Amino acid sequence: QVQLVQSGVEVKKPGASVKVSCKASGYTFINSGMGWVRQAPGQGLEWMGWISAYNGDTNYAQKFQGRVTMTTDTSTSTAYMELRRLTSDDTAIYYCARKLKNSPYDKWGQGTLVTVSS
Amino acid sequence: IVLTQSPGTLSLSPGERATLSCRTSQSLARNFLAWFQQKPGQAPRLLIYDASSRATGIPDRFSGSGSGTDFTLTISRLEPEDFAVYFCQQYDSTPNMFGQGTRLEIK
Repeated sequence: QVQLVQSGVEVKKPGASVKVSCKASGYTFINSGMGWVRQAPGQGLEWMGWISAYNGDTNYAQKFQGRVTMTTDTSTSTAYMELRRLTSDDTAIYYCARKLKNSPYDKWGQGTLVTVSS
Repeated sequence: IVLTQSPGTLSLSPGERATLSCRTSQSLARNFLAWFQQKPGQAPRLLIYDASSRATGIPDRFSGSGSGTDFTLTISRLEPEDFAVYFCQQYDSTPNMFGQGTRLEIK
């Protein structure tokens, strides 16, 4: 079965960077894309961007341009999301979600809590 | 594309019918609109995709309809486990924005 397993809780200081991983299994990773979505405490869902595992093409939300980098490692079927210059506003649960072409985000990771605090 | 969900909160009793709305600021050419359910402490779960197709394993009391800019999620007879937050999302074009959510609570 399709599974996305994310890395564990992160606590970072303002100004630092965080890199969250998402290991996929149960499907052909290279034939898919991976989206990243975050959710601040008590808030809604915010789309951060998407990466193609096939060719590495990315599409980032304008809000995160210049501060986020999404990558994939097809040898380990793992997607990564790095967010730099963290502030307290980046405290959130970060989710990865699989996306096939012309399809919705159908399978989600369990989420990674990132807390930014001095 | 901005997505606006209404109402913000819906208070109903088990067995009643729930109707949730999602309006997009631009027409979705391919009607690539999804609905998700989220319960506390859990990741979102895909319910409906392509506006009206049920995802695998989703009970048939959940249905989606609409096209263009107006979309609806209907839960025909509410079960206790259906009380949660519901989000719509468009994947017709990037950025793949979400609506702000509708909280479905027990009356």
